[in-house]
Amino acid sequence: LAKTTQPISMDSYEGQEVNITCSHNNIATNDYITWYQQFPSQGPRFIIQGYKTKVTNEVASLFIPADRKSSTLSLPRVSLSDTAVYYCLVGVLTGGGNKLTFGTGTQLKVEL
Amino acid sequence: EAGVVQSPRYKIIEKKQPVAFWCNPISGHNTLYWYRQNLGQGPELLIRYENEEAVDDSQLPKDRFSAERLKGVDSTLKIQPAELGDSAVYLCASSSRLGLANEKLFFGSGTQLSVL
Repeated sequence: LAKTTQPISMDSYEGQEVNITCSHNNIATNDYITWYQQFPSQGPRFIIQGYKTKVTNEVASLFIPADRKSSTLSLPRVSLSDTAVYYCLVGVLTGGGNKLTFGTGTQLKVEL
Repeated sequence: EAGVVQSPRYKIIEKKQPVAFWCNPISGHNTLYWYRQNLGQGPELLIRYENEEAVDDSQLPKDRFSAERLKGVDSTLKIQPAELGDSAVYLCASSSRLGLANEKLFFGSGTQLSVL
């Protein structure tokens, strides 16, 4: 199964903008890119979803280039409560068909 | 609105014993997923149901794992017998879309399984 890769960890300070990338070379043509946030002992929680270009909601922005082989989650002005693991979820083309595949996850640590 | 409910929250068993996990999805959600999440890794799909039909079980280890979703509502995932390597968090998720490309999954809090 093709890997959907992310940086293992990132550190930031309160008030800064954080950008987390996901590489998904084998993304399926019609599938969207979704990002989730996960706190310890909880299930992943939906943040944002997009297909191409840029999407923005009340908590984040998602940037997707024209070739859709990567995506970037942007968190504006992070706070301590944004410390969590962030995952991208994409449909990946495999020998067995299209599989929804989570990325390897990025541990974001926000400090004062 | 109630979210996805899973039980038990934690389970500790000895190897070779059976174990079962239960999931009640969000009301009205047709699609139900079981994922396994090993420590420090992303969730990996075990099985996906659309209503009561298992439409993708290609990654379910069928020699010891089984699942059912009778009546297309709640679901049970079973392991028999459990092995040490089965220790993980088992997550259930549901969505209201039937296999469409822009599904939004809602997850439960998971069952933390420890096999000793």
